Amino acid sequence: GAGVSQTPSNKVTEKGKYVELRCDPISGHTALYWYRQSLGQGPEFLIYFQGTGAADDSGLPNDRFFAVRPEGSVSTLKIQRTERGDSAVYLCASSLADWGTEQFVLTFGAGSRLTVL
Amino acid sequence: SQQGEEDPQALSIQEGENATMNCSYKTSINNLQWYRQNSGRGLVHLILIRSNEREKHSGRLRVTLDTSKKSSSLLITASRAADTASYFCATPTVYSGGSNYKLTFGKGTLLTVNP
Repeated sequence: GAGVSQTPSNKVTEKGKYVELRCDPISGHTALYWYRQSLGQGPEFLIYFQGTGAADDSGLPNDRFFAVRPEGSVSTLKIQRTERGDSAVYLCASSLADWGTEQFVLTFGAGSRLTVL
Repeated sequence: SQQGEEDPQALSIQEGENATMNCSYKTSINNLQWYRQNSGRGLVHLILIRSNEREKHSGRLRVTLDTSKKSSSLLITASRAADTASYFCATPTVYSGGSNYKLTFGKGTLLTVNP
């Protein structure tokens, strides 16, 4: 597609429920990133995929959070047993992996706003 | 962890004035990027400056980089109401022998341009 697509754009769930957020990156972008942004804060890194593998998942806050990218394109961020503190905008971004210049410019989706009641 | 920190946190100006935002960072970098965000949703890349560049222009944007002070500034000239947004600097971390790469963002500057 022309841009990074994220679904759903808004998700309201109850505490304890399971949630999946989907990201469809720009075709051909091998690098895919998930960030979380709380009100008034900058994007906080969660996880980075290079192809199908999670190259760095050091930003995932705990084992309730998990992400996959099985075919190296679409990625799903999964949150188990949601808590009110998980409420935030979850941003996905993709990038070409230009190791020659090491200039990775991220293209972001519009985000998925998660509200946990 | 936060690599870049923007200053000021909020800036309010009149249309036509210039807006300057600053970013300080902690570790050595090979480039620095600025992004813009409207209404708390997706970020848009504005400009990238390499570590061997001191200044770069793009339209009404001017970015400077001082690697000795580990700081960068973003200047928006002749501001417009449509420039109202949050602005973030982002710095890269290259690790695992150069095979991995991520961007770390600061908390941002909220710019309000009043008509």
